[in-house]
Amino acid sequence: QKEVEQNSGPLSVPEGAIASLNCTYSDRGSQSFFWYRQYSGKSPELIMSIYSNGDKEDGRFTAQLNKASQYVSLLIRDSQPSDSATYLCAVNVGGGADGLTFGKGTHLIIQP
Amino acid sequence: SAVISQKPSRDICQRGTSLTIQCQVDSQVTMMFWYRQQPGQSLTLIATANQGSEATYESGFVIDKFPISRPNLTFSTLTVSNMSPEDSSIYLCSVDAGQNTEAFFGQGTRLTVV
Repeated sequence: QKEVEQNSGPLSVPEGAIASLNCTYSDRGSQSFFWYRQYSGKSPELIMSIYSNGDKEDGRFTAQLNKASQYVSLLIRDSQPSDSATYLCAVNVGGGADGLTFGKGTHLIIQP
Repeated sequence: SAVISQKPSRDICQRGTSLTIQCQVDSQVTMMFWYRQQPGQSLTLIATANQGSEATYESGFVIDKFPISRPNLTFSTLTVSNMSPEDSSIYLCSVDAGQNTEAFFGQGTRLTVV
């Protein structure tokens, strides 16, 4: 059974601070890891992808992967009110053929 | 990234009827995926559609309820059959061109069954 766990929140962070979102997954065979942002009433938007252990940075976003601990995180620096959304962690186990398993999402609120 | 167009974007349907959702991609892709997002919930994979073969359904989803077509490498349809209010959800089409590539989503179809 593939499982992806996230704290549902809400996670409240002051504007300008660092928001830290965490995700754990159950299947050690997982190969690809994604963070999606979803605004209310909209479809998920890809924010970050990471495939190997370590950190991957893209602008204000940093994804961190630790396969030994089965843990992936997303850091958002200099948080903005526009970052307020639900962040979905998604995992792909077998490459492209398996589709994605999603966590329930963390609701992030950036307080002005 | 692939551009994915879904239609309809939303619909209100009577229980017992069926709705077919279309997904068009601007490039040829190997795999297409259909997800459901129930109100307040995350995304759940319904099935994987590979051109030229029958769709592969996830546990809890069956072909009679969610028949899928994949006639070519840029198009797929999902039908929600014999609808009940419990089928009220957002249905999302996604594409993934291969291993270690990101999955992109269409804008979704918001279905309300009354």
